[in-house]
Amino acid sequence: DVKVTQSSRYLVKRTGEKVFLECVQDMDHENMFWYRQDPGLGLRLIYFSYDVKMKEKGDIPEGYSVSREKKERFSLILESASTNQTSMYLCASTARVDYTFGSGTRLTVV
Amino acid sequence: GENVEQHPSTLSVQEGDSAVIKCTYSDSASNYFPWYKQELGKGPQLIIDIRSNVGEKKDQRIAVTLNKTAKHFSLHITETQPEDSAVYFCAASYAGNMLTFGGGTRLMVKP
Repeated sequence: DVKVTQSSRYLVKRTGEKVFLECVQDMDHENMFWYRQDPGLGLRLIYFSYDVKMKEKGDIPEGYSVSREKKERFSLILESASTNQTSMYLCASTARVDYTFGSGTRLTVV
Repeated sequence: GENVEQHPSTLSVQEGDSAVIKCTYSDSASNYFPWYKQELGKGPQLIIDIRSNVGEKKDQRIAVTLNKTAKHFSLHITETQPEDSAVYFCAASYAGNMLTFGGGTRLMVKP
């Protein structure tokens, strides 16, 4: 069964901390995405990557960065966590257009 | 770029009734329209999709319809069951490009 695995289901971090959210897929997909999901706002794209070491900004990249050193792994980095980054974070991957999502990481910044 | 609007944002139905969720898109070049279901505590999962060369597609109790002229597409769930309760997202894309998602609909099926 194909999978997108997000390393943590729940995280609690302090304001100002550097936070790493990890995502690994086992489908050899080129394309990977990070979204945040907030009530009433749907899925908002933070960053995406079409290839190793390649990254593109999505709709809300401010305060975030990403890393893709290997094809299967796409990391989201919060350089200095703030309370307004408290959210559900979803990773997805695809070879074409049918996305496979991870189960999400619920991040709380206190 | 593409813009997808989804209505309603919440929908409550009685078990056994039908549910309809509607989406409109802005880019007439879009040709792929998937629907995702997100159950509590899980990531969204593809449940059905339709391409622009087809007007309707069915899979058991769910169906999607597409009106290219009006640029809208809909998800129809018949004989709803409590396990249909979830958040549903529509999306659109063109030629294998990135999906643009609607804002989501929270469907509640009351037993």
